[in-house]
Amino acid sequence: DGGITQSPKYLFRKEGQNVTLSCEQNLNHDAMYWYRQDPGQGLRLIYYSQIVNDFQKGDIAEGYSVSREKKESFPLTVTSAQKNPTAFYLCASSIPGSGASNSPLHFGNGTRLTVT
Amino acid sequence: AQSVAQPEDQVNVAEGNPLTVKCTYSVSGNPYLFWYVQYPNRGLQFLLKYITGDNLVKGSYGFEAEFNKSQTSFHLKKPSALVSDSALYFCAVRVKSGTYKYIFGTGTRLKVLA
Repeated sequence: DGGITQSPKYLFRKEGQNVTLSCEQNLNHDAMYWYRQDPGQGLRLIYYSQIVNDFQKGDIAEGYSVSREKKESFPLTVTSAQKNPTAFYLCASSIPGSGASNSPLHFGNGTRLTVT
Repeated sequence: AQSVAQPEDQVNVAEGNPLTVKCTYSVSGNPYLFWYVQYPNRGLQFLLKYITGDNLVKGSYGFEAEFNKSQTSFHLKKPSALVSDSALYFCAVRVKSGTYKYIFGTGTRLKVLA
């Protein structure tokens, strides 16, 4: 079955450590996104990538980094510079472009990161 | 600024009654609008979208949404609510700012009471 896999489902880290969240898709989608979800704040865009080897900062990129070396993979690193990293992180993908390709986002099941 | 607003944090409705979850938007150009549902500790699932054409859009699980250009609204509706519809609902708009990205509302928790 095609889909997006995020791992691990739960992640615990000590403050000051970098941590990388995995996101893999087999939908052959070009575009991939990372969102952060906090209670009462909805989804906020961290980084997105429309094509391999290219990515753009979203609204809350500070303290995060990404890479897009392969079409199917878009890992997110939460660095020690992120002041409040505890959150639910969602990865998504879509077919980019205009016209008929107004593809909805397809989401993974998320990674819940807790930093203490 | 382009944005999406969901004015209600929570909506309560009795099972069997019609439900409405509200969404308004502010975008330049034609809006591409979406509704998603989220169950606890899961990702978002796509329900329906409006791109162009009929103002009443039908989607998954009996949901529909009405696009109103003059009121810049895209309210989610269902004629008869089920307890299993209880979840968190998000409205989103797709915008082009250099490249394409999606802006989400803050979400509305729907509680269907038996």
